[in-house]
Parts: sequence; C-alpha cells; structure tokens
Amino acid sequence: GQQLNQSPQSMFIQEGEDVSMNCTSSSIFNTWLWYKQEPGEGPVLLIALYKAGELTSNGRLTAQFGITRKDSFLNISASIPSDVGIYFCAGRALTGGGNKLTFGTGTQLKVEL
Amino acid sequence: NAGVTQTPKFRVLKTGQSMTLLCAQDMNHEYMYWYRQDPGMGLRLIHYSVGEGTTAKGEVPDGYNVSRLKKQNFLLGLESAAPSQTSVYFCASRPWVQETQYFGPGTRLLVL
Repeated sequence: GQQLNQSPQSMFIQEGEDVSMNCTSSSIFNTWLWYKQEPGEGPVLLIALYKAGELTSNGRLTAQFGITRKDSFLNISASIPSDVGIYFCAGRALTGGGNKLTFGTGTQLKVEL
Repeated sequence: NAGVTQTPKFRVLKTGQSMTLLCAQDMNHEYMYWYRQDPGMGLRLIHYSVGEGTTAKGEVPDGYNVSRLKKQNFLLGLESAAPSQTSVYFCASRPWVQETQYFGPGTRLLVL
C-alpha cells in the first residue's frame, strides 16, 4: 500500500520558536491534509491542500503542497504551549487511492516554556 | 450538531470475547471509516463504507467485521478478541464531495 514518511518523529522546542515538519510519499498524491491530535482526542483538521504548489495558512500555521506532488510541509510560527500535540499528515494517492487516505506516523511536538 | 460520536469510550475484554463498537454521525455524510491507532504507527484503516449497505476492506481488516445498515451508523465488530487488537479505535466520516475526514473521540480497547 501507500507509504508516508513523516519527519521529524518528535520535536522539543522553546516557546516562541518556529517549527517545521514534512511528509513525503512514494507516489503522487492529489490531496494533502494536516491534522492535529491532542491527548485523549481524535485528530482535528488544520489545513487541506488540493493543488501542487498551493500554500495555505490558518493563523500561525502554514502548509504547502509540494510541486512534485510527493511531499507536503507544515510550518508553525511563534509556537505557544497549546501547540503541544501530535501532528499528522494525510494524503490521497492520485492512482489507487480510491476513497481512502494514507496517514503519516505523526510528529509529536513538545513546547518548553 | 454532535458531529461524530463513538460508543463506548473505553472497554476491557478478555481474549475470545466479542464486542461491537458504535460510530454515529449526524452530518449526513456518505463515507464512514474505522481506523486503529497504535504507538508509532499512525492511523491504519480497518474497513470503510461509501454508503448505506456497502462496506469495503482497508489495510488491516482481519479479525474485524463491519456493518452500515443506516447511513448515520457504522458498526465495528470483533468476533473473538485477541491481545493484538488492543488499540485505540477511531471512526471518521466525510461527505462525498470532500476529502476531509472528521474524526470521533476514539474508543480505547484493552484485550487481556
């Protein structure tokens, strides 16, 4: 099946720092989604991307759909304590994706005050 | 508008017991999904449904069965639970015109 490599696996940063994480796939994707999951809860959508090269922001979060269509990036500016959680990328493959999403393994973000 | 709800929130089973997890959505979504989440492995798709009365296998379907008798409900069954099925189970739904899936709060299952 499809595979998504998400990095880094975890990050421990200082409050106020900028954060970057990325996701790469072994095949071309036509949709990229970024979710955040907090402890004991289900994932919540942050940003959805549908076109190669698309750059979309949601407050302090900015995500990009890579031009090769095999990667996506999420940046968080000026991190705050409530940014703590696990961030997942998810995508739908252009071929063979069907009605399913493939999820990355997550980036765990910890913020030091 | 409750979104996606899951019942129960937490359950402990003994090996060999059976149980059914219920997912309900009030958004009139056509598609529904069941995932399991294990440490370090992200979300893996068990089964999904593209409409009432239809189901399809996902990435890890073995040991599970599903039914979608009503559009708003998607049931996940474990006929004979095994310790390997200890996990957190998430249900999600989406409308057919959108890729974004909306998740429930999860069911934590421990099989002893």
